[in-house]
Amino acid sequence: DIQLTQSPSFLSASVGDRVTITCRASQGISSYLAWYQQKPGKAPKVLIYAASTLQSGVPSRFSGSGSGTEFTLTISSLQPEDFATYYCQQLNNYRLFGQGTKLEIK
Amino acid sequence: EVQLVQSGAEVKKPGESLKISCKGSGYSFSNYWIAWVRQMPGKGLEWMGIIYAGDSDTTYSPSFQGQVTMSADKSINTAYLQWSSLKASDTAMYYCARLGVSTNGVWIPDHWGQGTLVTVSS
Repeated sequence: DIQLTQSPSFLSASVGDRVTITCRASQGISSYLAWYQQKPGKAPKVLIYAASTLQSGVPSRFSGSGSGTEFTLTISSLQPEDFATYYCQQLNNYRLFGQGTKLEIK
Repeated sequence: EVQLVQSGAEVKKPGESLKISCKGSGYSFSNYWIAWVRQMPGKGLEWMGIIYAGDSDTTYSPSFQGQVTMSADKSINTAYLQWSSLKASDTAMYYCARLGVSTNGVWIPDHWGQGTLVTVSS
């Protein structure tokens, strides 16, 4: 099975910061990767799919890149509403998620 | 407006059976896949599997094969997730999601239910 490893697991940042979260796949998955945001008590929300395609309605400060085994989610300028947990998900068989990255306010 | 409305929280004892629901509205329910996602308390997301509402074709993730049953009744626009014998380890929030965005034939969740909290405790 393809495993996904996110780093870091926890990230402390300030409003206005640029942050990057990495997701590494144990095998190449081409561009079959999505990124989700989840706020406490809420359902997850897709931000990015196909590694770099922004889901409709998602602010342009979010961007994704990568292919093969290494992927990144970048938030160009953190806003207060961006403090949440972020997950990557491989879109091949079985759709496994990464373990999550909790983004907290510094 | 697309909506997925899930059934309410459940408290059950180990060994009991349970069926939770996810009712779609605002779109052609039969033409979409529904996914189920588990989130155990304080933990991450787990993809359980998918069901095509039109013909109930299902694909389970290996971890959930044989542990749960997905079904759908397109006449009432409702998908279900059921257990025949609950365990304490089934305690979790369960989300349904419509797979409504496609990239290279792979479908992505675009609308989510609000979640159903299942608590299994003796």
